[in-house]
Amino acid sequence: GDSVTQMEGPVTLSEEAFLTINCTYTATGYPSLFWYVQYPGEGLQLLLKATKADDKGSNKGFEATYRKETTSFHLEKGSVQVSDSAVYFCALSDLGGATNKLIFGTGTLLAVQP
Amino acid sequence: ETGVTQSPTHLIKTRGQQVTLRCSSQSGHNTVSWYQQALGQGPQFIFQYYREEENGRGNFPPRFSGLQFPNYSSELNVNALELDDSALYLCASSRGTSGSAEQFFGPGTRLTVL
Repeated sequence: GDSVTQMEGPVTLSEEAFLTINCTYTATGYPSLFWYVQYPGEGLQLLLKATKADDKGSNKGFEATYRKETTSFHLEKGSVQVSDSAVYFCALSDLGGATNKLIFGTGTLLAVQP
Repeated sequence: ETGVTQSPTHLIKTRGQQVTLRCSSQSGHNTVSWYQQALGQGPQFIFQYYREEENGRGNFPPRFSGLQFPNYSSELNVNALELDDSALYLCASSRGTSGSAEQFFGPGTRLTVL
């Protein structure tokens, strides 16, 4: 079945450092790909998405490119802030499925130190 | 526009009891999905309701059941609670079931089973 694998955390960075969180997927269909963020004690917020190969999703300085050839959707940010500290989830949704259920990775905790 | 709301925020039950969790979807959304997020894990899809009918189900036993009402709000019922049911339960609503339809998440209900 479809699945998402993302790098394990925690990832600890200093403020203004460059961030990469790796995400790869396995899917039989043509998925949409998402990054969600979860701040402590809160639900999930959509950070960015891409619906087809070579699309780049971007939001709040974060970006990720849908790479079909490497089945990847790595999250990047050029300069992280303390306020970016959260858990980041990579997810997919099968465009051809009966539902838009999301399949999530296990999450990556990002801790940014001042 | 009111976002997705869930009640209660926290709940403590004992093994064998039954619990009902509630979710109000975002205005204009006719689809509700429920997810279980165990500590340190990504959310797992439980089921989805579309126009008051179950539209898809994940790998959860029948003691997990749900309802969707004409106003598109939803309930998740869990019977015969087990210790492993302790988790954050997330509700998400969307406009339709297409794989590209963005899901908006509520803050979740934290269930503890003793």
